[in-house]
Amino acid sequence: EVVLVESGGGLAQPGGSLRLSCAASGFTFGTYAMTWVRQAPGKGLAWVSTISGIGETTYYADSVKGQFTISRDNSKNMVYLQMNSLRVEDTAIYYCAKGGDYYGLGSYLSWGQGTLVTVSS
Amino acid sequence: EIVMTQSPATLSVSPGERATLSCRASQSVSSNLAWYQQKGGQAPRLLIYAASIRATGIPARFSGSGSGTGFTLTISSLQSEDFAVYYCQQYNIWPLTFGGGTKVDIK
Repeated sequence: EVVLVESGGGLAQPGGSLRLSCAASGFTFGTYAMTWVRQAPGKGLAWVSTISGIGETTYYADSVKGQFTISRDNSKNMVYLQMNSLRVEDTAIYYCAKGGDYYGLGSYLSWGQGTLVTVSS
Repeated sequence: EIVMTQSPATLSVSPGERATLSCRASQSVSSNLAWYQQKGGQAPRLLIYAASIRATGIPARFSGSGSGTGFTLTISSLQSEDFAVYYCQQYNIWPLTFGGGTKVDIK
């Protein structure tokens, strides 16, 4: 069974930083892309970033390019999202999701429960 | 980027009735289209991928159709557990994009 558990969310001030983590289990981690999707309060889903199986390829939404960095540690079955220069509009639940293949250009069957990031002074 | 537009924003349906949800892409996404269901406080659940293939464990009352720029999710006979928000997502090209969602509520 695939299990994804996010952590690291919380309250941050505008301009601050947070690092989200996602612990994965139940599959051969290094052969699948991993993705972060966010959902602002009362809003829809928005793709944030994807990293390929061994991390050589990354993709970012324009809204976070240069601000967020996705990475992974395949020895620990972990994926991370380093969020810098946080803005109020980054407030959202952040979901970690497992891709259906190595590069992640696909649908997403497995999701974590999400971690809430609140950016406020 | 490909813009995904869902309609209607809200659909009021009685239990047992049929629900038809639409999703339109700003350019062709071929059949690279998925549908998700999301209930309050929960993560999205994949219902349909490749426009018409049900994900594992999804009841047969859910069906997807379409290709190119126009897609439909049909719920043939709404059950109480189907009242939720539904999103479409294209994965033809980066960036991945989602529609704004259709809320299916009880009439």
